[in-house]
Amino acid sequence: KQEVTQIPAALSVPEGENLVLNCSFTDSAIYNLQWFRQDPGKGLTSLLLIQSSQREQTSGRLNASLDKSSGRSTLYIAASQPGDSATYLCAVSISGGSNYKLTFGKGTLLTVNP
Amino acid sequence: DAEITQSPRHKITETGRQVTLACHQTWNHNNMFWYRQDLGHGLRLIHYSYGVHDTNKGEVSDGYSVSRSNTEDLPLTLESAASSQTSVYFCASSRAGTYNEQFFGPGTRLTVL
Repeated sequence: KQEVTQIPAALSVPEGENLVLNCSFTDSAIYNLQWFRQDPGKGLTSLLLIQSSQREQTSGRLNASLDKSSGRSTLYIAASQPGDSATYLCAVSISGGSNYKLTFGKGTLLTVNP
Repeated sequence: DAEITQSPRHKITETGRQVTLACHQTWNHNNMFWYRQDLGHGLRLIHYSYGVHDTNKGEVSDGYSVSRSNTEDLPLTLESAASSQTSVYFCASSRAGTYNEQFFGPGTRLTVL
C-alpha cells in the first residue's frame, strides 16, 4: 500500500526566505506526483504535476523535483511571500490499472511572516 | 470558464438521515473522484468514476454510494448518516490521458449530529 509522508508538518519562515518542502513515498512505481496548495476553508489548487518520466517542473517561483528511485519529491519556493502561507499537499498515483487514484500526504502548514 | 462546483457548501443533518452531496463539472472530464478530509488522516478517497455508468470503491467507501448518469455529475449519497461521517468532502475531476492532473471543488462541510 502506497504511503506518503510530508516533513515538516509545519514550517514558519520570514518573508524573502527560500524554502524546501519534502514529500516521500513508499512505492517507487508511481504514475505521477502532484503538488497542491490549500488555503484555510478552501479547496485544493493544483500547483505542479510531475510525470513519472520527468525530474522536475517549474512554475514561477515554484520548482518541484522528483527522484523515483529514492521515493522523494521536493517543492522549492523562492523568495517566499506572506501570500504563500497555506498548507501544501503532495499526492502520488501508482502505475497500472489504478493510475488515476491519488494517495495524499497530510501536508505541510507553511507560514511566511512579514 | 470551466469549473467544478459542489453543493451545498455547508450541511447539518441528523444521524440516520439520507444525505446527498452534489458535484458538477463543466470540463467534460471523464474521471471524477470523491474524497473526505479529516484532521489526522488527510484526504482519503471514497469513490471514483472513470466514465458514465462506471463507479468504483475507494479506501473508505463503507456507508457511501455514487452513481454516474452523465459526464458532468457525480452525486455522493450517505445512505444513513453517522457521526463518524462528519467531515469536509471534496469532489475532483481529471481528463483521461492527461497524466491525471486533478482539479478540486471548493468542498462541502458536513456535520452529522
